[in-house]
Amino acid sequence: DADVTQTPRNRITKTGKRIMLECSQTKGHDRMYWYRQDPGLGLRLIYYSFDVKDINKGEISDGYSVSRQAQAKFSLSLESAIPNQTALYFCATSDHIGKEAFFGQGTRLTVV
Amino acid sequence: DAKTTQPTSMDCAEGRAANLPCNHSTISGNEYVYWYRQIHSQGPQYIIHGLKNNETNEMASLIITEDRKSSTLILPHATLRDTAVYYCIVRVPLAGGGADGLTFGKGTHLIIQP
Repeated sequence: DADVTQTPRNRITKTGKRIMLECSQTKGHDRMYWYRQDPGLGLRLIYYSFDVKDINKGEISDGYSVSRQAQAKFSLSLESAIPNQTALYFCATSDHIGKEAFFGQGTRLTVV
Repeated sequence: DAKTTQPTSMDCAEGRAANLPCNHSTISGNEYVYWYRQIHSQGPQYIIHGLKNNETNEMASLIITEDRKSSTLILPHATLRDTAVYYCIVRVPLAGGGADGLTFGKGTHLIIQP
């Protein structure tokens, strides 16, 4: 089983719909992150969390919200999806020493 | 975070060493150099990181110049499976010493030729 699991792997949704992307990890890490990647571009940080009581905005948080339900779970929500949120979304984790981040396999989201 | 400059793409013959350069001329004294790679739309994979000393692990070697303004990632014997986008990231770890909030640029698309 993967250390970092994202669900769903693919999703098509309509403009204006609320959608939640889920991430769970078995690494036992405190720190979790959500990134998005657009075609031909690098990853950009949306939100990150150092523990269940800590949520921080990243570079591009507008239009997104997150919930850290437990140490192992970090979900990303689009309250009212819009087409320019069509992208590949990655969840990642790292421990408090954090020499490396572990990424999930990604969720491909299409907003039509 | 210091900005990095990497070539857009590089080719390397299978079995040869792949040397990927990265310029980070504005790096500050407490910023680390990290390398990740991303194989076609998969999640990025950590390769190696360093502060000022050269580093080696089972995947690669990292050579950092003495003035720390540039570095080179070396894949000693490239295989077809090493074809990927390689990201050089310079980052001050956030509170707690973690590799947090990595900022990924466009990276170098390394193509290993058979």
